[in-house]
Amino acid sequence: DAGVTQSPTHLIKTRGQQVTLRCSPISGHKSVSWYQQVLGQGPQFIFQYYEKEERGRGNFPDRFSARQFPNYSSELNVNALLLGDSALYLCASTRRGSGGETQYFGPGTRLLVL
Amino acid sequence: GIQVEQSPPDLILQEGANSTLRCNFSDSVNNLQWFHQNPWGQLINLFYIPSGTKQNGRLSATTVATERYSLLYISSSQTTDSGVYFCATNFGNEKLTFGTGTRLTIIP
Repeated sequence: DAGVTQSPTHLIKTRGQQVTLRCSPISGHKSVSWYQQVLGQGPQFIFQYYEKEERGRGNFPDRFSARQFPNYSSELNVNALLLGDSALYLCASTRRGSGGETQYFGPGTRLLVL
Repeated sequence: GIQVEQSPPDLILQEGANSTLRCNFSDSVNNLQWFHQNPWGQLINLFYIPSGTKQNGRLSATTVATERYSLLYISSSQTTDSGVYFCATNFGNEKLTFGTGTRLTIIP
C-alpha cells in the first residue's frame, strides 16, 4: 500500500499570498491530521479531520483552515501568509486497531514565505 | 495540556555505540509513540508503546506509564540512525503532543 502522500513537496510564496497544501491518507484510513513544524522544534498540531468533520483544532489563527473530501483526502489552506508561516507542514493518517491508534506521516510540504 | 520533555537534547556517538533516549510526560496517557525524523524531514514510526517493552531489531523501547516515562534504546548505532528522535503522546484523541526531541549524530 502507498503511504501518506503530500503535494507539493516545496513551495515559495510571498507575504500576503494564500497557499493550499494537499494530503492523501493511506488507503482505508479515515482520519487526517495536519501539523506545522518550524525549524528546530517538534511538530505542532493544527487540525484533525475524521469522516469529513473537524474533530480538533490547535492553537492557530483563523487564517488556517482545512477540509476533508469524501475520498478522505484533505487540503490545508493558509491565507494572508506571514514570514512566520515558513515551516514544514506534515500530514498524518491514523490507523485504529486492536493495538491502539498509530499515526503515519507523509513526507511533508516545505513552505517558504518571503 | 500535556507536557512532554526529552533528554538529552543532543547526543553524538561513534558508530557501534549504544544509546538510551528518555521521554518524560506530565500526565497519564494512553498512547506513546516514538518517531525518527530523518535529515529530509520524514517522520518514521518506530514504536507504538503505551506500556511495556517492544523490540525491533537494534531498537527497543520501554514505557512505564505509572511513572510517566519512556525509554528508547539503540544498540550498535549506524550512521543511518542519525536524525532527530521524537516521542509523542495524546489522551486518546488523535492530537499528538510531541516532545522536544533528541538530535542524534553518529560519527563513522
